[in-house]
Amino acid sequence: GQQVMQIPQYQHVQEGEDFTTYCNSSTTLSNIQWYKQRPGGHPVFLIQLVKSGEVKKQKRLTFQFGEAKKNSSLHITATQTTDVGTYFCAGPNRKGSNYKLTFGKGTLLTVNP
Amino acid sequence: DTEVTQTPKHLVMGMTNKKSLKCEQHMGHRAMYWYKQKAKKPPELMFVYSYEKLSINESVPSRFSPECPNSSLLNLHLHALQPEDSALYLCASSQVRLAGGFEQYFGPGTRLTVT
Repeated sequence: GQQVMQIPQYQHVQEGEDFTTYCNSSTTLSNIQWYKQRPGGHPVFLIQLVKSGEVKKQKRLTFQFGEAKKNSSLHITATQTTDVGTYFCAGPNRKGSNYKLTFGKGTLLTVNP
Repeated sequence: DTEVTQTPKHLVMGMTNKKSLKCEQHMGHRAMYWYKQKAKKPPELMFVYSYEKLSINESVPSRFSPECPNSSLLNLHLHALQPEDSALYLCASSQVRLAGGFEQYFGPGTRLTVT
C-alpha cells in the first residue's frame, strides 16, 4: 500500500530561524494535507494541496506540492515559540471503494526562545 | 460550529471493565473516524463510518466495537482491553468526497489507561 515518508523526525531551532519538513509518497497523490498537533493536543487541519506544483501561503507558513504530486514540503519562516508541535503530512489511500488518510510519522518542532 | 467533542477526556479502566467512548459533531459531516495514537506516533486509523455505515475496519481486535447511532454521534465500546491498548483515542469527522479530498476535524481525544 501507499506509504508516506516524512523527514526529519525531530527539529530543534532557535526562535527566528527557519524550519522545513519534507514529505514523500511512494505513489502519486490526488492531494496532500498538512496537520499540526500541539503537545498534549489533537491534530488540527492546516491546508490541503491539490494541483501539481501548487504553492500556498499562510502567514509565515509556505506549503508546496511537487510537480509529480509525490512530494510536499512545509516551510516556516522566522519560527516563533507558538510554532512548537508535531507537523504531519497525510495523503489519501484507497481501500476498496473507500478512502482513508495515511499519515507521515511527523516532524516534532521545538523552538528555543 | 466546527467542533468535534469527545467524552470522557480521561478514562482509567481495568482489563475486565466495559466502557464506552463518545464522539459528537454538528458540522453535517457524513464520515466519522476512530483513531488510536500512541505517544510520539502518528494517528493510526481504526474505523471509518460513511453515511452511518461501517466502511473501513483496519483489522481492529473485537474488544473494540464501534457504533454510529446517527449522523452526529459515534461511539467506541471497549471490553476486556489490554494494557497495550492504553493510548489517546481520537475521533474525527469529514465530508465524504471523491478521491479522498476531505479535510478531517479531530476531537480533543480520550486519554485511556488500562490497568
